[in-house]
Amino acid sequence: DTAVSQTPKYLVTQMGNDKSIKCEQNLGHDTMYWYKQDSKKFLKIMFSYNNKELIINETVPNRFSPKSPDKAHLNLHINSLELGDSAVYFCASSQRSNRGGETQYFGPGTRLLVL
Amino acid sequence: GDSVTQMEGPVTLSEEAFLTINCTYTATGYPSLFWYVQYPGEGLQLLLKATKADDKGSNKGFEATYRKETTSFHLEKGSVQVSDSAVYFCALPLGGGKLIFGQGTELSVKP
Repeated sequence: DTAVSQTPKYLVTQMGNDKSIKCEQNLGHDTMYWYKQDSKKFLKIMFSYNNKELIINETVPNRFSPKSPDKAHLNLHINSLELGDSAVYFCASSQRSNRGGETQYFGPGTRLLVL
Repeated sequence: GDSVTQMEGPVTLSEEAFLTINCTYTATGYPSLFWYVQYPGEGLQLLLKATKADDKGSNKGFEATYRKETTSFHLEKGSVQVSDSAVYFCALPLGGGKLIFGQGTELSVKP
């Protein structure tokens, strides 16, 4: 009964390949996020979807394309992988409120290594 | 612009030592403030939060007080345990669900 789950947990691939990471949440939240954590543990938001609508799109190369088939799922597709894409990618979810400051719940992460 | 600055790690302490991890922020208005914790090999989880000035968040023996005079939200624990070894992130919400994180402070507690 994991709240936010991601697959795969580990992903090792060659430069130039295309890969996808999947995320699912069973918390009934309406907002989902993708974050990238680099080797120094620095965390940066990449995308956010609210009810399947893209609401945050940071300055991420267009090789990265998020897709939200429904509000419980947010997938991340990466084309033409580069060495610099090696990182840990975290999915998160929250229930949006007008007050703001809602808690985000994180998945366990996907460790991507591009060779 | 809005930002969060944390003390750099790593921090190494002996069990039962006192812990302080400093966090200061720059923000418009008075947002909520968060501390998240990341245990080895896991995702982040909320440790505590405070929603307005002078609020104190607490959980698992950790505390942090939202101080608008010093724009700070320092994390403290009176007696750390080996199981507290993790990376700690201070975070500031910007609205629209966007969170900005400090750079993370790695804590290592030795028995």
